[in-house]
Amino acid sequence: DVKVTQSSRYLVKRTGEKVFLECVQDMDHENMFWYRQDPGLGLRLIYFSYDVKMKEKGDIPEGYSVSREKKERFSLILESASTNQTSMYLCASRVTGGHQPQHFGDGTRLSIL
Amino acid sequence: GENVEQHPSTLSVQEGDSAVIKCTYSDSASNYFPWYKQELGKRPQLIIDIRSNVGEKKDQRIAVTLNKTAKHFSLHITETQPEDSAVYFCAASPDNYGQNFVFGPGTRLSVLP
Repeated sequence: DVKVTQSSRYLVKRTGEKVFLECVQDMDHENMFWYRQDPGLGLRLIYFSYDVKMKEKGDIPEGYSVSREKKERFSLILESASTNQTSMYLCASRVTGGHQPQHFGDGTRLSIL
Repeated sequence: GENVEQHPSTLSVQEGDSAVIKCTYSDSASNYFPWYKQELGKRPQLIIDIRSNVGEKKDQRIAVTLNKTAKHFSLHITETQPEDSAVYFCAASPDNYGQNFVFGPGTRLSVLP
């Protein structure tokens, strides 16, 4: 069974801090994703990566960056956290190839004070 | 790019009744359509998916139908139970390397005892 692990379930940070959210998957998936989930807006893609050191912007990349130094790990970085980045963040992974689902982590609820 | 709409945003049904959630998509290249269920405080989990070369797929009380011409697909849950209460997300995805999913905004289903 695919396991996607996010390092924190809850995180509280202050405005202006640099914040790191970590995600690890154990199924050797090529593709990894970071989403932001807000009520009424569904899941919005921030960044995704289809290989080590590769990254692509999603729909809402502003204020975020990512790092993928190893295949199993995908990090989301808030360069200078702001209150409007308070949200639930979900990581997902997916094997390359046709008709395959994404597998999600439990999410990190991030509060920026 | 792809745009996925989902209706209704909230749905309440009596236990034992059926529930139907509808999604439309815009990109005719999309050919894989997963449905996710997210219970309160938990990760989104795949419950059923359908490929574009199939018109209908069923798994016990859950079924999905796809109309490629009209670009819409629907989730049908029969004999609803309280544990079906959750937020349901539809998604659309082209079957290409590194492509991501576009999710609908979600439907909050409440099954009343």
